[in-house]
Amino acid sequence: EAEVAQSPRYKITEKSQAVAFWCDPISGHATLYWYRQILGQGPELLVQFQDESVVDDSQLPKDRFSAERLKGVDSTLKIQPAELGDSAMYLCASSTGTGWDTQYFGPGTRLTVL
Amino acid sequence: GENVEQHPSTLSVQEGDSAVIKCTYSDSASNYFPWYKQELGKRPQLIIDIRSNVGEKKDQRIAVTLNKTAKHFSLHITETQPEDSAVYFCAASTSGTYKYIFGTGTRLKVLA
Repeated sequence: EAEVAQSPRYKITEKSQAVAFWCDPISGHATLYWYRQILGQGPELLVQFQDESVVDDSQLPKDRFSAERLKGVDSTLKIQPAELGDSAMYLCASSTGTGWDTQYFGPGTRLTVL
Repeated sequence: GENVEQHPSTLSVQEGDSAVIKCTYSDSASNYFPWYKQELGKRPQLIIDIRSNVGEKKDQRIAVTLNKTAKHFSLHITETQPEDSAVYFCAASTSGTYKYIFGTGTRLKVLA
């Protein structure tokens, strides 16, 4: 069964450093999502792509976060500079982008900022 | 904006008992309601979903009910087992946007 892949699984960094996370969606899925999940809370959407285009980035802190999906397949989320409050789980999900659309999640990257 | 409230935040039940988790949504245009289970350190996984054209859906020990008038939906787990212990998230979505709004989660503990 195809799954969403993410790397790294864990990342520890110091504040003010740059970090990057990678996501490979299920093959053929047009829509890709990046979520941030703080411990004890539900996932919060950061950015949504339809193919290579950003559909929604209203909750993305654009002064420090950026995301790209250049060829409409895999995607990278970057934080620069990282802050203590960025410590969280970063989840990637993908969906077909048509009809009743189930999102399938990757295993996530747990970021710790020291 | 759209908001989804989920209750309770924690729930402990004895093995074999039933568990009910409730969610309320604010956007009347929402028409798709998935439920995810997230075990410790693992990815959220879809366990059941319901669309606004039906009031109830069942899959073995799991069922979801939807009341569109009241804008709430519930997850029912019967004959709970220790492996049901996890965090459960509800979500609401509107077709065409493909955007989910998640609830805050319910930590279910099934006591043996």
